[in-house]
Amino acid sequence: DADVTQTPRNRITKTGKRIMLECSQTKGHDRMYWYRQDPGLGLRLIYYSFDVKDINKGEISDGYSVSRQAQAKFSLSLESAIPNQTALYFCATSVPVEETQYFGPGTRLLVL
Amino acid sequence: QKEVEQNSGPLSVPEGAIASLNCTYSDRVSQSFFWYRQYSGKSPELIMSIYSNGDKEDGRFTAQLNKASQYVSLLIRDSQPSDSATYLCAVAGSARQLTFGSGTQLTVLP
Repeated sequence: DADVTQTPRNRITKTGKRIMLECSQTKGHDRMYWYRQDPGLGLRLIYYSFDVKDINKGEISDGYSVSRQAQAKFSLSLESAIPNQTALYFCATSVPVEETQYFGPGTRLLVL
Repeated sequence: QKEVEQNSGPLSVPEGAIASLNCTYSDRVSQSFFWYRQYSGKSPELIMSIYSNGDKEDGRFTAQLNKASQYVSLLIRDSQPSDSATYLCAVAGSARQLTFGSGTQLTVLP
């Protein structure tokens, strides 16, 4: 089984809809991250969480919210989806000090 | 100014050649540096990490770090068509987050 899983893997939604992307991990890592990837722009950090009670905004948090339900679960919500949120979304985990991040398989989101 | 810069490419090399990928960064207090490989439509996977000045070798891959010049590179020896992918440079800065470059697309020609 994969250490970091994301659901759904693909999603098509309409402008204005609320959508939630979920991430679960079995690596036992405290730190979790949400990124989006757009062609030619690399990975950009949306939100990150260093433990259940610690959630921080990243570079591009506007239009997004997160929930850290447990050490192993970190969800990303788009309250009212818009077309420019069409992207590939990745969840990642890490441990302190080492800072290496391990990525889930990604969710491809299309907002019409 | 982008914090982590990479040549976007595409970079093409013949099979068996050395591929050289470069990255510069702006945060002088950065301590940890990573190279990820990403195949099209897939998630990034770590191939090298480096923390100290100098070279670090792992199989066909060598990472080179020069903190004074704020420069990190990745050399791939005996390049194979399976090495064709986008290579992402990532830097852990003072905020303890990773900042990624936009990636260099590498194509190894058979």
